[in-house]
Amino acid sequence: DVKVTQSSRYLVKRTGEKVFLECVQDMDHENMFWYRQDPGLGLRLIYFSYDVKMKEKGDIPEGYSVSREKKERFSLILESASTNQTSMYLCASSLLKGTTEAFFGQGTRLTVV
Amino acid sequence: DQQVKQNSPSLSVQEGRISILNCDYTNSMFDYFLWYKKYPAEGPTFLISISSIKDKNEDGRFTVFLNKSAKHLSLHIVPSQPGDSAVYFCAARATGNQFYFGTGTSLTVIP
Repeated sequence: DVKVTQSSRYLVKRTGEKVFLECVQDMDHENMFWYRQDPGLGLRLIYFSYDVKMKEKGDIPEGYSVSREKKERFSLILESASTNQTSMYLCASSLLKGTTEAFFGQGTRLTVV
Repeated sequence: DQQVKQNSPSLSVQEGRISILNCDYTNSMFDYFLWYKKYPAEGPTFLISISSIKDKNEDGRFTVFLNKSAKHLSLHIVPSQPGDSAVYFCAARATGNQFYFGTGTSLTVIP
């Protein structure tokens, strides 16, 4: 069974903290994505990566960075957490080519206080 | 600008009736379209997809229709069941590139 695993289901962090969200996939997918989901705004792409050490900005990259040192792992970093980054964060992966879907992790509900 | 739009934030349907969820897109380069279902506090799960070379794809109670000229797709659920109550996201992709998602439609199936 294919799997995308996010390191935490729930996180509470303080304003100004550096936050790491980890994601691992076991499907040998080239593409990996980080989205955030907010009510009424749907899923918005923060960053994606199509290969190791490669990254592309999505629609809302401000305040975030990413790291992909290994094919199976994609990390999202909040450099200095702020309350407006309280959200549900979703990691996904997919094949680079072909008509295939993205597979999502279970999500991380991050609250910044 | 939103490239994939779901204009109905919510929909309520009686159990056993048809649910129709709609989605519009603007980018003619999209060649693959998907529907995802999401329960609260969980990640989205893939439901059904359609390639741009087709106009219909069916999987059990779920059918997706694609009208390329209108840049419109819809998801039909027949018959609707209470377990179908969830948020449904429409998504589109140009091959090899990122997925673009709509804002979601919350479906409630009333027993």
